[in-house]
Amino acid sequence: IAGITQAPTSQILAAGRRMTLRCTQDMRHNAMYWYRQDLGLGLRLIHYSNTAGTTGKGEVPDGYSVSRANTDDFPLTLASAVPSQTSVYFCASSPGTYSVGGELFFGEGSRLTVL
Amino acid sequence: KNQVEQSPQSLIILEGKNCTLQCNYTVSPFSNLRWYKQDTGRGPVSLTIMTFSENTKSNGRYTATLDADTKQSSLHITASQLSDSASYICVVAGGRGSTLGRLYFGRGTQLTVWP
Repeated sequence: IAGITQAPTSQILAAGRRMTLRCTQDMRHNAMYWYRQDLGLGLRLIHYSNTAGTTGKGEVPDGYSVSRANTDDFPLTLASAVPSQTSVYFCASSPGTYSVGGELFFGEGSRLTVL
Repeated sequence: KNQVEQSPQSLIILEGKNCTLQCNYTVSPFSNLRWYKQDTGRGPVSLTIMTFSENTKSNGRYTATLDADTKQSSLHITASQLSDSASYICVVAGGRGSTLGRLYFGRGTQLTVWP
């Protein structure tokens, strides 16, 4: 059972470069999310999607974009990476929509370092 | 301001001992509260969910309590094992209006179990 698959596992990136973090789920969940986790700050929501074709902004959306072309995939793009985007990024999904506040199923994370 | 505060920030205990982690929240209105376990280098995994009407819920050696009046929850771990070493994250879901479905994350308690 794969659940949520994220790629890459880790990446070192030069500032100014474009980067896409990939996320795929095989649970047919409606909602998908991107979080960043920084030491001492906990998890913060970047963007979410309740269903294919719709997306919404979370707490810290600036510098990031997402798309939801189908149920399974939810890529996160950094158009021009900056050092402050160095973090561990987690993709998650939930059976219900964002407004349900249900259980989140997380991927294993993508560690991104921007130099 | 809706917040979730966890204590202690970190905790070291000996294998076989019990411990209790605390979570205080100000989120209102409240929908539910979940405890997640996050092993080092992995994504968080849900341990238990508490709704408004529930006071106590067990999941093996983990027992969560909720006092909705004082807005406090605890996670009690019995007979700790080395595999309990992890970060434990308290997550509160908002109940309605502008907080509906929004998840408020605590910063976690880092538990280390020593042999």
